[in-house]
Amino acid sequence: KQEVTQIPAALSVPEGENLVLNCSFTDSAIYNLQWFRQDPGKGLTSLLLIQSSQREQTSGRLNASLDKSSGRSTLYIAASQPGDSATYLCAVNEPNSGYALNFGKGTSLLVTP
Amino acid sequence: DVKVTQSSRYLVKRTGEKVFLECVQDMDHENMFWYRQDPGLGLRLIYFSYDVKMKEKGDIPEGYSVSREKKERFSLILESASTNQTSMYLCATPGPNSNQPQHFGDGTRLSIL
Repeated sequence: KQEVTQIPAALSVPEGENLVLNCSFTDSAIYNLQWFRQDPGKGLTSLLLIQSSQREQTSGRLNASLDKSSGRSTLYIAASQPGDSATYLCAVNEPNSGYALNFGKGTSLLVTP
Repeated sequence: DVKVTQSSRYLVKRTGEKVFLECVQDMDHENMFWYRQDPGLGLRLIYFSYDVKMKEKGDIPEGYSVSREKKERFSLILESASTNQTSMYLCATPGPNSNQPQHFGDGTRLSIL
């Protein structure tokens, strides 16, 4: 069964730093990989989706990469801001799952002023 | 933009009660999902539905059932609530194909006393 792991579980950085969040998965047979943001007590907001045939996607200060063969994805956040503080989740979308997602446990990010 | 609406943000029920959690989406999507989210366990799939009156078990269906009488509405039912079902419940729907991001409701924080 697919396992999705996120490292680190928690991260604290000063404002302005560039940072990288890591996600790994055990089965490379995926449709896509998605990165989400979750604020405390709220639902998930989609940040980026990388299709299995793609290597990376960018949105503003966010860049996500995918190396399917090695089962890894990274989310790069440039020039971090206190408003980036949240939990970041990665999830893989697999064949035969009806588009259901298999999630990592998340990285809790705190950006301090 | 896709809107997924969960009927309650917070709900408190008693052990043994039958509990209904409602979810409505406004995009005529066929697939809908129910997840629960617990600290240290992440998001886990409870049930999903491909279409009206169709349902499939996810990873943790025990103690739950679902109903999909209309395409836009997907209900999660706790047949006889127990304290171990205290959790955050999240409803989601993906886009019309495998390469669309999944859209989530704001979640229902359910406490079973």
